[in-house]
Amino acid sequence: KNQVEQSPQSLIILEGKNCTLQCNYTVSPFSNLRWYKQDTGRGPVSLTIMTFSENTKSNGRYTATLDADTKQSSLHITASQLSDSASYICVVIPYSGAGSYQLTFGKGTKLSVIP
Amino acid sequence: DSGVTQTPKHLITATGQRVTLRCSPRSGDLSVYWYQQSLDQGLQFLIQYYNGEERAKGNILERFSAQQFPDLHSELNLSSLELGDSALYFCASSVGLAGVLGDEQFFGPGTRLTVL
Repeated sequence: KNQVEQSPQSLIILEGKNCTLQCNYTVSPFSNLRWYKQDTGRGPVSLTIMTFSENTKSNGRYTATLDADTKQSSLHITASQLSDSASYICVVIPYSGAGSYQLTFGKGTKLSVIP
Repeated sequence: DSGVTQTPKHLITATGQRVTLRCSPRSGDLSVYWYQQSLDQGLQFLIQYYNGEERAKGNILERFSAQQFPDLHSELNLSSLELGDSALYFCASSVGLAGVLGDEQFFGPGTRLTVL
């Protein structure tokens, strides 16, 4: 069964500090991996998309890394801001030759940035 | 604003009742996806429609059904509601079949369903 596990479940950091969120997956074969940011009560918003051949992808202060061999990804947030407080969701998309994809979502890491 | 609209924003109903959630995709998007997010749980994929046809099915209960109309808007019908159905229901849309690299899913603001 395809699974996506994220850690930690929750994290509290001081404004201005860096942090790294982890994602381990068992999805195979693998098409691409995405990180989403979800503010409380809102829909998720895409941060990065990576294929299995990419090692890193940046979007401003967000940098995602991928190790397809160990099936691990991380999301690094630099110089955190109060507005970074949200849940960060790792989503893995299996490869399907049929052209229909079922995205597999992790439960997310809830990040709280405090002043 | 993602361009995906969902109505209503909030819905409070009683057990045993039936409700309909509505979603309008972004202009030009052919795929619509429905997700359920219970408290402190991850997003659970329910069902996908592409250009009016059901394309993929996830963990959708038999009491739930959906359809996509010719104008591409979609409705999710939830019947015989139970307390455990209380959740946020998200709709997302994409141009084609999300999962293909470059085909991004855009999420709506969600409908919060409370079953009392």
